[in-house]
Amino acid sequence: DAGITQSPRYKITETGRQVTLMCHQTWSHSYMFWYRQDLGHGLRLIYYSAAADITDKGEVPDGYVVSRSKTENFPLTLESATRSQTSVYFCATRPLSGNTIYFGEGSWLTVV
Amino acid sequence: SQQGEEDPQALSIQEGENATMNCSYKTSINNLQWYRQNSGRGLVHLILIRSNEREKHSGRLRVTLDTSKKSSSLLITASRAADTASYFCATANTGTASKLTFGTGTRLQVTL
Repeated sequence: DAGITQSPRYKITETGRQVTLMCHQTWSHSYMFWYRQDLGHGLRLIYYSAAADITDKGEVPDGYVVSRSKTENFPLTLESATRSQTSVYFCATRPLSGNTIYFGEGSWLTVV
Repeated sequence: SQQGEEDPQALSIQEGENATMNCSYKTSINNLQWYRQNSGRGLVHLILIRSNEREKHSGRLRVTLDTSKKSSSLLITASRAADTASYFCATANTGTASKLTFGTGTRLQVTL
């Protein structure tokens, strides 16, 4: 049982290109989150979703788009990548009745 | 802006010593959680303390919470080399308990 699978794990892309980071969970947790982790900033919430077809902005949503057509998938799209979006991106989930957040292994994205 | 700020940013101790990390936050919380991140990996939940609790233990971990000072501390007793990691506090704020806001983390190095 993989729990949370993020893909790709490593990606190098060029400025202006569209990039989609995938997140798949096998637990059927209601909540899904996307965080980015940067040195000096810790983890910052980009978007989150309480259920399929329900998404909401986090602290740093600009330049990102999410969708959640199925409970198990929560893709994050950078519509036109910028160098400032070079970061490590973590997908996470949380069950409806719990408090603990479970993290994926991260996607390392470099925008050149 | 970050809700939680950890102190110190980095801590180096010898195996067998105790490690104390502090976290300060800004707004009212439902609960405060501590997570651990090994290098290159996702975060893993360690312990949760609710706003009406003052102290909690889990194995070698001891967490305290002082809501009047808006601060928490994580004590790891009898540290081991395997405790080397980054530690983050995260708050579930009153009114937005569905998502966590993370601090910037403390990097702990335990040497033999």
